[in-house]
Amino acid sequence: AQKVTQAQTEISVVEKEDVTLDCVYETRDTTYYLFWYKQPPSGELVFLIRRNSFDEQNEISGRYSWNFQKSTSSFNFTITASQVVDSAVYFCALSELFTGGGNKLTFGTGTQLKVEL
Amino acid sequence: KAGVTQTPRYLIKTRGQQVTLSCSPISGHRSVSWYQQTPGQGLQFLFEYFSETQRNKGNFPGRFSGRQFSNSRSEMNVSTLELGDSALYLCASSLERDRESYFGPGTRLTVT
Repeated sequence: AQKVTQAQTEISVVEKEDVTLDCVYETRDTTYYLFWYKQPPSGELVFLIRRNSFDEQNEISGRYSWNFQKSTSSFNFTITASQVVDSAVYFCALSELFTGGGNKLTFGTGTQLKVEL
Repeated sequence: KAGVTQTPRYLIKTRGQQVTLSCSPISGHRSVSWYQQTPGQGLQFLFEYFSETQRNKGNFPGRFSGRQFSNSRSEMNVSTLELGDSALYLCASSLERDRESYFGPGTRLTVT
Protein backbone atom coordinates (compact mmCIF):
# COMPACT_ATOMS: atom_id res chain seq x y z
CA ALA A 1 0.00 0.00 0.00
CA GLN A 2 1.08 3.51 -0.64
CA LYS A 3 1.93 5.81 2.23
CA VAL A 4 3.06 9.40 2.60
CA THR A 5 4.53 10.70 5.85
CA GLN A 6 4.85 14.33 6.78
CA ALA A 7 6.35 14.18 10.24
CA GLN A 8 6.20 17.93 10.84
CA THR A 9 2.73 18.80 12.04
CA GLU A 10 3.36 22.49 12.48
CA ILE A 11 6.24 24.82 11.75
CA SER A 12 6.52 28.46 12.81
CA VAL A 13 9.09 30.79 11.30
CA VAL A 14 9.75 34.48 11.16
CA GLU A 15 9.38 36.21 7.83
CA LYS A 16 12.44 35.96 5.57
CA GLU A 17 13.60 32.74 7.15
CA ASP A 18 14.08 29.68 4.94
CA VAL A 19 11.96 26.67 5.78
CA THR A 20 11.99 23.05 4.59
CA LEU A 21 8.95 20.80 4.68
CA ASP A 22 9.75 17.10 4.76
CA CYS A 23 7.96 14.33 2.88
CA VAL A 24 8.77 10.63 2.93
CA TYR A 25 6.82 8.15 0.84
CA GLU A 26 6.39 4.41 0.47
CA THR A 27 5.37 2.60 -2.69
CA ARG A 28 6.05 -0.67 -4.47
CA ASP A 29 5.50 0.91 -7.86
CA THR A 30 8.49 1.72 -10.04
CA THR A 31 6.56 4.43 -11.83
CA TYR A 32 4.78 7.01 -9.76
CA TYR A 33 4.21 10.72 -9.39
CA LEU A 34 4.78 12.97 -6.40
CA PHE A 35 3.02 16.25 -5.76
CA TRP A 36 2.94 19.18 -3.40
CA TYR A 37 -0.22 21.14 -2.75
CA LYS A 38 -0.87 24.26 -0.70
CA GLN A 39 -4.13 24.68 1.21
CA PRO A 40 -4.79 28.22 2.41
CA PRO A 41 -7.57 28.90 4.95
CA SER A 42 -10.09 29.16 2.10
CA GLY A 43 -9.79 25.39 1.70
CA GLU A 44 -8.90 25.00 -1.95
CA LEU A 45 -5.92 22.80 -2.70
CA VAL A 46 -3.49 24.68 -4.91
CA PHE A 47 -1.23 22.62 -7.15
CA LEU A 48 2.45 23.49 -6.72
CA ILE A 49 4.50 20.81 -8.45
CA ARG A 50 4.48 17.34 -9.96
CA ARG A 51 7.54 15.12 -10.20
CA ASN A 52 7.65 11.68 -11.81
CA SER A 53 9.75 8.86 -10.45
CA PHE A 54 12.22 8.95 -13.33
CA ASP A 55 13.09 12.59 -12.93
CA GLU A 56 15.31 13.21 -9.94
CA GLN A 57 16.37 16.66 -10.96
CA ASN A 58 15.77 19.27 -8.34
CA GLU A 59 13.49 22.08 -9.34
CA ILE A 60 13.37 25.73 -8.46
CA SER A 61 10.46 28.06 -9.06
CA GLY A 62 10.99 31.50 -7.63
CA ARG A 63 11.27 31.15 -3.86
CA TYR A 64 10.20 27.50 -4.01
CA SER A 65 12.50 24.55 -4.54
CA TRP A 66 12.05 20.81 -4.37
CA ASN A 67 14.56 18.09 -3.61
CA PHE A 68 13.62 14.58 -4.81
CA GLN A 69 15.80 11.74 -3.58
CA LYS A 70 14.68 8.33 -4.69
CA SER A 71 17.35 6.60 -2.58
CA THR A 72 15.73 7.89 0.60
CA SER A 73 12.17 8.05 -0.75
CA SER A 74 11.96 11.72 0.08
CA PHE A 75 10.53 14.71 -1.71
CA ASN A 76 11.26 17.79 0.38
CA PHE A 77 10.02 21.31 -0.25
CA THR A 78 11.96 24.45 0.64
CA ILE A 79 10.63 27.99 0.76
CA THR A 80 13.34 30.60 0.66
CA ALA A 81 12.83 33.96 2.33
CA SER A 82 9.38 33.02 3.61
CA GLN A 83 6.54 35.53 3.57
CA VAL A 84 3.35 35.85 5.57
CA VAL A 85 1.39 34.85 2.47
CA ASP A 86 3.11 31.46 2.58
CA SER A 87 1.15 30.62 5.72
CA ALA A 88 -0.97 27.59 4.86
CA VAL A 89 -1.15 23.83 5.19
CA TYR A 90 1.11 22.04 2.74
CA PHE A 91 0.38 18.53 1.57
CA CYS A 92 2.66 16.05 -0.10
CA ALA A 93 0.90 13.43 -2.23
CA LEU A 94 1.71 10.27 -4.15
CA SER A 95 -0.17 9.17 -7.25
CA GLU A 96 -1.08 5.55 -7.63
CA LEU A 97 -1.15 4.42 -11.23
CA PHE A 98 -3.75 1.83 -12.15
CA THR A 99 -3.50 -0.64 -15.00
CA GLY A 100 -6.71 0.65 -16.49
CA GLY A 101 -5.66 4.21 -16.10
CA GLY A 102 -6.74 6.62 -13.44
CA ASN A 103 -5.74 9.02 -10.82
CA LYS A 104 -5.71 8.39 -7.11
CA LEU A 105 -3.73 10.56 -4.75
CA THR A 106 -2.55 9.40 -1.36
CA PHE A 107 -1.94 12.42 0.82
CA GLY A 108 0.25 12.99 3.82
CA THR A 109 -1.27 14.51 6.92
CA GLY A 110 -0.03 17.96 6.01
CA THR A 111 2.29 20.50 7.60
CA GLN A 112 0.83 23.72 8.94
CA LEU A 113 3.27 26.52 8.16
CA LYS A 114 2.92 29.79 10.07
CA VAL A 115 5.02 32.71 8.97
CA GLU A 116 5.05 35.61 11.39
CA LEU A 117 6.28 39.14 11.06
CA LYS B 1 -9.36 29.09 -18.48
CA ALA B 2 -11.88 28.67 -15.69
CA GLY B 3 -10.91 26.44 -12.81
CA VAL B 4 -12.80 23.63 -11.16
CA THR B 5 -16.09 24.80 -9.72
CA GLN B 6 -18.12 23.15 -7.00
CA THR B 7 -21.63 23.84 -5.81
CA PRO B 8 -22.87 24.46 -3.28
CA ARG B 9 -20.00 25.81 -1.23
CA TYR B 10 -21.70 25.21 2.10
CA LEU B 11 -24.42 22.84 3.12
CA ILE B 12 -26.13 21.93 6.36
CA LYS B 13 -28.11 18.71 6.52
CA THR B 14 -29.75 16.57 9.16
CA ARG B 15 -28.87 12.98 9.96
CA GLY B 16 -30.70 10.55 7.72
CA GLN B 17 -31.10 12.98 4.84
CA GLN B 18 -29.31 12.69 1.54
CA VAL B 19 -27.21 15.24 -0.30
CA THR B 20 -25.94 15.82 -3.82
CA LEU B 21 -22.80 17.79 -4.56
CA SER B 22 -21.81 19.04 -7.98
CA CYS B 23 -18.47 19.54 -9.69
CA SER B 24 -17.63 21.11 -13.03
CA PRO B 25 -14.11 20.28 -14.22
CA ILE B 26 -11.69 22.44 -16.14
CA SER B 27 -12.63 22.52 -19.79
CA GLY B 28 -11.07 19.58 -21.61
CA HIS B 29 -10.47 17.53 -18.47
CA ARG B 30 -12.25 14.20 -18.61
CA SER B 31 -11.12 12.75 -15.28
CA VAL B 32 -12.93 13.87 -12.15
CA SER B 33 -12.03 12.64 -8.68
CA TRP B 34 -13.64 13.23 -5.31
CA TYR B 35 -11.92 13.46 -1.94
CA GLN B 36 -13.18 13.80 1.61
CA GLN B 37 -11.21 15.87 4.08
CA THR B 38 -11.80 15.59 7.83
CA PRO B 39 -9.63 16.62 10.78
CA GLY B 40 -9.40 13.02 11.96
CA GLN B 41 -8.85 11.11 8.72
CA GLY B 42 -7.24 13.78 6.56
CA LEU B 43 -7.67 13.69 2.80
CA GLN B 44 -9.14 10.46 1.53
CA PHE B 45 -9.94 9.34 -1.99
CA LEU B 46 -13.60 8.59 -2.66
CA PHE B 47 -13.77 7.73 -6.36
CA GLU B 48 -12.74 8.77 -9.84
CA TYR B 49 -14.80 9.06 -13.00
CA PHE B 50 -13.60 9.10 -16.57
CA SER B 51 -15.80 9.24 -19.64
CA GLU B 52 -18.93 8.71 -17.55
CA THR B 53 -17.56 5.54 -15.94
CA GLN B 54 -16.35 5.02 -12.40
CA ARG B 55 -12.78 3.94 -12.89
CA ASN B 56 -11.45 3.73 -9.34
CA LYS B 57 -13.02 3.65 -5.91
CA GLY B 58 -11.76 4.26 -2.39
CA ASN B 59 -12.80 2.54 0.82
CA PHE B 60 -16.08 4.21 1.53
CA PRO B 61 -19.47 2.61 2.18
CA GLY B 62 -22.06 2.29 -0.55
CA ARG B 63 -23.89 5.34 0.81
CA PHE B 64 -21.34 7.34 -1.17
CA SER B 65 -21.97 7.27 -4.88
CA GLY B 66 -21.35 9.40 -7.88
CA ARG B 67 -21.83 9.82 -11.55
CA GLN B 68 -20.39 11.72 -14.46
CA PHE B 69 -22.22 13.26 -17.35
CA SER B 70 -21.27 13.47 -21.01
CA ASN B 71 -19.91 17.00 -20.51
CA SER B 72 -17.60 15.63 -17.76
CA ARG B 73 -19.50 17.35 -14.98
CA SER B 74 -19.81 15.10 -11.97
CA GLU B 75 -22.13 14.71 -9.03
CA MET B 76 -21.56 12.99 -5.75
CA ASN B 77 -24.39 11.70 -3.61
CA VAL B 78 -24.39 10.69 0.02
CA SER B 79 -27.48 8.94 1.31
CA THR B 80 -28.60 8.41 4.90
CA LEU B 81 -26.24 11.02 6.23
CA GLU B 82 -24.35 10.39 9.44
CA LEU B 83 -22.67 12.89 11.75
CA GLY B 84 -19.30 11.54 10.64
CA ASP B 85 -19.99 12.61 7.07
CA SER B 86 -19.40 16.21 8.08
CA ALA B 87 -16.38 17.18 6.02
CA LEU B 88 -14.94 19.25 3.23
CA TYR B 89 -15.59 17.47 -0.05
CA LEU B 90 -13.10 18.31 -2.73
CA CYS B 91 -13.38 17.63 -6.41
CA ALA B 92 -10.38 17.47 -8.71
CA SER B 93 -10.07 17.29 -12.47
CA SER B 94 -7.14 16.26 -14.59
CA LEU B 95 -5.93 15.50 -18.05
CA GLU B 96 -5.16 11.86 -18.53
CA ARG B 97 -1.64 12.33 -19.79
CA ASP B 98 -0.06 14.52 -17.14
CA ARG B 99 -1.93 13.39 -14.04
CA GLU B 100 -1.87 16.84 -12.52
CA SER B 101 -5.02 17.13 -10.44
CA TYR B 102 -6.52 20.57 -10.04
CA PHE B 103 -8.89 21.02 -7.16
CA GLY B 104 -12.02 23.05 -6.71
CA PRO B 105 -12.81 25.17 -3.64
CA GLY B 106 -14.73 22.34 -2.02
CA THR B 107 -18.16 21.91 -0.49
CA ARG B 108 -18.27 22.07 3.28
CA LEU B 109 -20.96 19.71 4.50
CA THR B 110 -22.20 19.87 8.06
CA VAL B 111 -24.49 17.11 9.32
CA THR B 112 -26.46 17.88 12.48
